[in-house]
Amino acid sequence: NAGVTQTPKFRILKIGQSMTLQCTQDMNHNYMYWYRQDPGMGLKLIYYSVGAGITDKGEVPNGYNVSRSTTEDFPLRLELAAPSQTSVYFCASIRQGLSTNTEAFFGQGTRLTVV
Amino acid sequence: KNEVEQSPQNLTAQEGEFITINCSYSVGISALHWLQQHPGGGIVSLFMLSSGKKKHGRLIATINIQEKHSSLHITASHPRDSAVYICAPHTGNQFYFGTGTSLTVIP
Repeated sequence: NAGVTQTPKFRILKIGQSMTLQCTQDMNHNYMYWYRQDPGMGLKLIYYSVGAGITDKGEVPNGYNVSRSTTEDFPLRLELAAPSQTSVYFCASIRQGLSTNTEAFFGQGTRLTVV
Repeated sequence: KNEVEQSPQNLTAQEGEFITINCSYSVGISALHWLQQHPGGGIVSLFMLSSGKKKHGRLIATINIQEKHSSLHITASHPRDSAVYICAPHTGNQFYFGTGTSLTVIP
């Protein structure tokens, strides 16, 4: 998935620490998403953005914040990390429009452990 | 309530078998995506469908918009096809995800 770059791949945080997961795409996609995937479970939407300057909450937004100052970047911020945020995080992007729908591209994932 | 129902949840096949995974959804969609996730791995898009049928190599995906149903077929299955396959309708705003079908292909 060369189109979506997600960093870091692994991270261990202590309870109460904060961090930012970076997500960048170079395909001029308007829609970007952050998901978390707990072991053996499906993807749950944290936040999404339909374009620069526009973000909206998903199913599980508590404890997270996002911003979308440019089309390319969609960072996910964890403030005051908690063990419940131990998960694998995926960023995804897609171009969605009346006649320009594209395949979805996913980042490689960030495996986060909060101890 | 589940907006996306996928079946079967688990599937074991012998190498060479023809495999079908089914997906039914209840939401209005702009397109439906089939995704593949290998154990411990990332997520890859296999298909995006808004109508009809698409084929990539040994993989075929079909969709019936009126019946809100899609199928993913794998012909001549191979052990490297072992993965979780996820049906993901896109509403034009968000994805909905099926629970996934865990496929194991035995040599």
